[in-house]
Amino acid sequence: AQKITQTQPGMFVQEKEAVTLDCTYDTSDQSYGLFWYKQPSSGEMIFLIYQGSYDEQNATEGRYSLNFQKARKSANLVISASQLGDSAMYFCAMSPKQGGKLIFGQGTELSVKP
Amino acid sequence: DSGVTQTPKHLITATGQRVTLRCSPRSGDLSVYWYQQSLDQGLQFLIQYYNGEERAKGNILERFSAQQFPDLHSELNLSSLELGDSALYFCASSGTLLVFGQGTRLTVV
Repeated sequence: AQKITQTQPGMFVQEKEAVTLDCTYDTSDQSYGLFWYKQPSSGEMIFLIYQGSYDEQNATEGRYSLNFQKARKSANLVISASQLGDSAMYFCAMSPKQGGKLIFGQGTELSVKP
Repeated sequence: DSGVTQTPKHLITATGQRVTLRCSPRSGDLSVYWYQQSLDQGLQFLIQYYNGEERAKGNILERFSAQQFPDLHSELNLSSLELGDSALYFCASSGTLLVFGQGTRLTVV
């Protein structure tokens, strides 16, 4: 069965510093997608970044990058130059294929301190 | 704006009642997914429709049902509501990537 594990229930980071949110996954599929979503206190789920299992390069989207280590089955999210507006819940998710249903981790609550 | 529209945004109802949540997917997306987010269960996949047909089923209770109409909008029907059904219900649609609506916050009192 597929599973996503986020071991950090909560994290603090100083404004302007970088932070890494951990995510490990378990799957026997060869082809899968890994996603990160941000959920601010208002509740909406905002797509941040995607990594395909066959992508050779780590995905980047602005200040977000995904540190993909396939052999370790990890897909950590790196946020550079944290901003106060980055304070939110962050969810790692996996899909058996691009566009398929997502399985989510329990989330990490990130707090950015001024 | 994700392009996925959910109504209503908030809903308060009593136990035993029935409610309908509505979702309009992003233009061009044929797949609609429903998720439930609660404090104790996290984000749980309920059901997926593709072009009007049920494609996958997750942890959806028998009291819950859904459908996708010819115009591709979808409705999630929740009946015999219990206090534990209070949650944030998300609809998402996908072409290449899964994009979520803003959710419907259901409170059962």
